[in-house]
Amino acid sequence: KNEVEQSPQNLTAQEGEFITINCSYSVGISALHWLQQHPGGGIVSLFMLSSGKKKHGRLIATINIQEKHSSLHITASHPRDSAVYICAVGGSQGNLIFGKGTKLSVKP
Amino acid sequence: ETGVTQTPRHLVMGMTNKKSLKCEQHLGHNAMYWYKQSAKKPLELMFVYSLEERVENNSVPSRFSPECPNSSHLFLHLHTLQPEDSALYLCASSPYRLAGGVAGELFFGEGSRLTVL
Repeated sequence: KNEVEQSPQNLTAQEGEFITINCSYSVGISALHWLQQHPGGGIVSLFMLSSGKKKHGRLIATINIQEKHSSLHITASHPRDSAVYICAVGGSQGNLIFGKGTKLSVKP
Repeated sequence: ETGVTQTPRHLVMGMTNKKSLKCEQHLGHNAMYWYKQSAKKPLELMFVYSLEERVENNSVPSRFSPECPNSSHLFLHLHTLQPEDSALYLCASSPYRLAGGVAGELFFGEGSRLTVL
């Protein structure tokens, strides 16, 4: 079993829909990262959080430390949001442990 | 533009070739990383450099040889690779690296897609 599990693995949505991507982890963490990877390969850091909630534009990330769970929400989704979204946790043993990613496709 | 530049973006090499991947950051970061991303697998950490000193080698075969000549540049030298080494190689940097983990946000390059024939 992976230490970081993301769901769903693939997600197709219509433009304008509200999207939720989930991340569950089994290790103690110092921080959780949400990353966005576009088809070209480059990765952009969206959020780094260790408690509560963060918002940036149409993106919202939440984390529940007790439940070892985080969610990434996208409001009013747009085709340009199509990408792979990766959850990564900073484990107690050091370095980041990555999930396999959620591939999101937003149709116009 | 994340401030981390990787070259080349694409590389095709034979198993007997020697090539190098280059990574450059001008963000003033002290920590730099090489990651490997294979199809349908999570990112795998290969090497970590902090203040130009290698602080982690994650059981990577010796056919991969990193070099960090200064805090802005990181290389990955490739020699006698295998077809299973074909993957996307990503460089990243962060402001600093405390013992036991990544400190601060990670900034990634666009990656170098390597194909070994």
